[in-house]
Amino acid sequence: EDKVVQSPLSLVVHEGDTVTLNCSYEVTNFRSLLWYKQEKKAPTFLFMLTSSGIEKKSGRLSSILDKKELSSILNITATQTGDSAIYLCAAKGYGGATNKLIFGTGTLLAVQP
Amino acid sequence: GAGVSQSPRYKVAKRGQDVALRCDPISGHVSLFWYQQALGQGPEFLTYFQNEAQLDKSGLPSDRFFAERPEGSVSTLKIQRTQQEDSAVYLCASSRPPGEKLFFGSGTQLSVL
Repeated sequence: EDKVVQSPLSLVVHEGDTVTLNCSYEVTNFRSLLWYKQEKKAPTFLFMLTSSGIEKKSGRLSSILDKKELSSILNITATQTGDSAIYLCAAKGYGGATNKLIFGTGTLLAVQP
Repeated sequence: GAGVSQSPRYKVAKRGQDVALRCDPISGHVSLFWYQQALGQGPEFLTYFQNEAQLDKSGLPSDRFFAERPEGSVSTLKIQRTQQEDSAVYLCASSRPPGEKLFFGSGTQLSVL
């Protein structure tokens, strides 16, 4: 059965700290891995990764995929209180009629002032 | 529209009552997904439409759950004879083909008393 596992489940840091969130996946015919940020209810897209070893960056956030280790990390540098959210990792495989994403449980990040 | 729109935002139902949740996807998005997110969990896939065709309904938890998208745009998720375990946030997402990146709505929070 396809699955995505995230760690840690929750994390509390202070403003200015750097955090690393982890995601591992087991997906048949892996195609892509996506990171979402969920504040309140609607997950918003952060990154999509398909190639191993290529870092994607957006401001203070960056992410990289390791296909050999079946994992990905999301880094946030110089954290701010506005980074407090649930960070969701999701993976997708090739084949079948569905382009569905398999989500992990998420990492709850709390950034304290 | 500018984003995925869902209504109602909140729904309180008595056990045994039928409910209908609406999703209005981004204009031109062929693919539409419904996900269920229980408290403290990641989104779980329910069903997938490509235009008006329901290509995958493998995630629907029971025959009390029914989804439709008759004209390939707006979709409705119907839950009959609601149970307490149906309490969750129901998220709708849409994407362009081939559908790598999903755009999510703000969800409907269903509470069954």
